Formats: sequence, structure tokens, C-alpha cells
Amino acid sequence: ETGVTQTPRHLVMGMTNKKSLKCEQHLGHNAMYWYKQSAKKPLELMFVYNFKEQTENNSVPSRFSPECPNSSHLFLHLHTLQPEDSALYLCASSQTGTDTQYFGPGTRLTVL
Amino acid sequence: SQQGEEDPQALSIQEGENATMNCSYKTSINNLQWYRQNSGRGLVHLILIRSNEREKHSGRLRVTLDTSKKSSSLLITASRAADTASYFCATAGSNTGKLIFGQGTTLQVKP
Repeated sequence: ETGVTQTPRHLVMGMTNKKSLKCEQHLGHNAMYWYKQSAKKPLELMFVYNFKEQTENNSVPSRFSPECPNSSHLFLHLHTLQPEDSALYLCASSQTGTDTQYFGPGTRLTVL
Repeated sequence: SQQGEEDPQALSIQEGENATMNCSYKTSINNLQWYRQNSGRGLVHLILIRSNEREKHSGRLRVTLDTSKKSSSLLITASRAADTASYFCATAGSNTGKLIFGQGTTLQVKP
């Protein structure tokens, strides 16, 4: 394992539901990332946090709301999602100043 | 815009053969990395090569970088069935930590 955990591993939700994805890293890193991976598309960077501060929002719709309460935890709050939001959501962490990222196993999200 | 483009998109070989995957990118970089992803899982970092390096080895992996052609290759020697996975290149353009990933090459190694 890489030291980055994600829960839940699988999530099925309706378009009117509200749910949250959780990511936790045990590596002492201070940068955390959310990515979206859809079939036949490159990984899409969604958000970047450095020292708990959001430093990048890659034009992500407001129905995705990130939260980073500390350097070890990252959440992605979901509400009123669309079926096209179905994808694998990956969390990653790194040490600021280095480029190697460590990924969690992902949450497979299905929006009905 | 997409930075890394990988070639081929899919590769199928027999166990014991070598597998070569290529990656091209568009802008200047600080380093280029290769990651592996087993089906439905997270990505695992394999190797990083800096812009001032031309070749790097790690076990059965050999990575080359040609900054004049803006391209890199990943060679896996003596492949094993367990090497079956998707392989992604990712470029880092500055010290922001932001990586831009290619679409990946899906490798199947038949026993």
C-alpha cells in the first residue's frame, strides 16, 4: 500500500443525494490532490491543497466541494451530481517541493 | 490541453518479451514520471527522470528522455504476467507539484 487511504471504495448515489469522499495520508506530506479518472480520458486534476490551503481549482463545477481540515485529511463533498460525473476519483499526496505523488486506491462513483 | 500522449494505446506481448511504451509532450518540463495502474486501482509511481538526464534504470525498467524531441520511452524487460497494467507518463513543468498525465498505454502480458 502507498500510505494513502480512501473511503468508501465504491459509491452509488442518486442525483439528489449528498455524499462525501474521504482521503487520508499517513506519509507526513503537506500537499494533497483530487483527480477524476473517466474511461478513455487522461487523469483530470480537480483540486490541489498545500498546507491546507487550496492552491488550484481546475474549473471544477460547484457541485464538487473540497475540504482540507489538516494536512493529513482531504474530503470531497458531492451534491446534485450528474450521471456524467460517474468516474474513479483518486486522491494523492506529495511533499511540497517534490513532484512524486502517492495515490490512494480510488473511489468508484456511480451516479444514477 | 493534453500534455502527454502515449503510444501505443494498447500493447499485447508474451511473457519474457520486452515492452516499449512511448510518451510525447508539448511544453518544457522539469521532470517526467512514469506511473502504473492496475485495473480499478490507484496509480503507483515507478520512476522519475529529470530534464537534465537522458536515461535511468530501476530493476527491469529503463526510461529514456529526449528533451529535443520532447519524448520519453519506458522499456520493461523480460516481462511477466504481473506487469499487466496501464502505464502513464506524467510531466511536471515547475515546482508547483502539478502533474499532467497522458492517456496511458494498456499492457497485457500473456503467460
